[in-house]
Amino acid sequence: DIQMTQSPSSLSASVGDRVTITCQASQDISNYLNWYQQKPGKAPKLLIYDASNLETGVPSRFSGSGSGTDFTFTISSLQPEDIATYYCQQYDNLLTFGQGTRLEIK
Amino acid sequence: QLQLQESGPGLVKPSETLSLTCTVSGGSISSSSYYWGWIRQPPGKGLEWIGSIYYSGSTYYNPSLKSRVTISVDTSKNQFSLKLSSVTAADTAVYYCAHVQHWGQGTLVTVSS
Repeated sequence: DIQMTQSPSSLSASVGDRVTITCQASQDISNYLNWYQQKPGKAPKLLIYDASNLETGVPSRFSGSGSGTDFTFTISSLQPEDIATYYCQQYDNLLTFGQGTRLEIK
Repeated sequence: QLQLQESGPGLVKPSETLSLTCTVSGGSISSSSYYWGWIRQPPGKGLEWIGSIYYSGSTYYNPSLKSRVTISVDTSKNQFSLKLSSVTAADTAVYYCAHVQHWGQGTLVTVSS
């Protein structure tokens, strides 16, 4: 099984800050990685696919990078509406989610 | 626009089988080569992939749930279904059906006598 280690588990930042979340796979998954945003009471929303491709309609302040085992998700300038929990997900071998990162406004 | 909607009982007794159906509209299950899957989220916790099925009928399951899970597809009804047997309180969760970037709204299933 492929394990996904996501960090940090929670994060507090100010509006306008640059925010970075990391995800590490237990083995090489190439670029088979998605990033999701989930707001309370809602289904997750796909933001980034194939590690670095922005889903249609997603603001350009969101970005992703990495390949192999190490991946990064970045919000270039945090906005109030970005408050949510973020998950990475690998789909190289079956599917596995990271533990999630709860993002709060400072 | 593809839409997915979960349906099924919101309350299941311990040791019984949880059964959910996902109805797909705005597109055909048969026309996509990507997975149709089930994901769950226990209250206050993270996301857990349960399993996926492809239009061909091939299925893939989370190893931790594999012995209790069956996912099937009914292309005539444009639906796919989840059965989880021998449920316990630990199976209480919001259950989502999903197809890549398209997710249902989720349905809460509580396991309780």
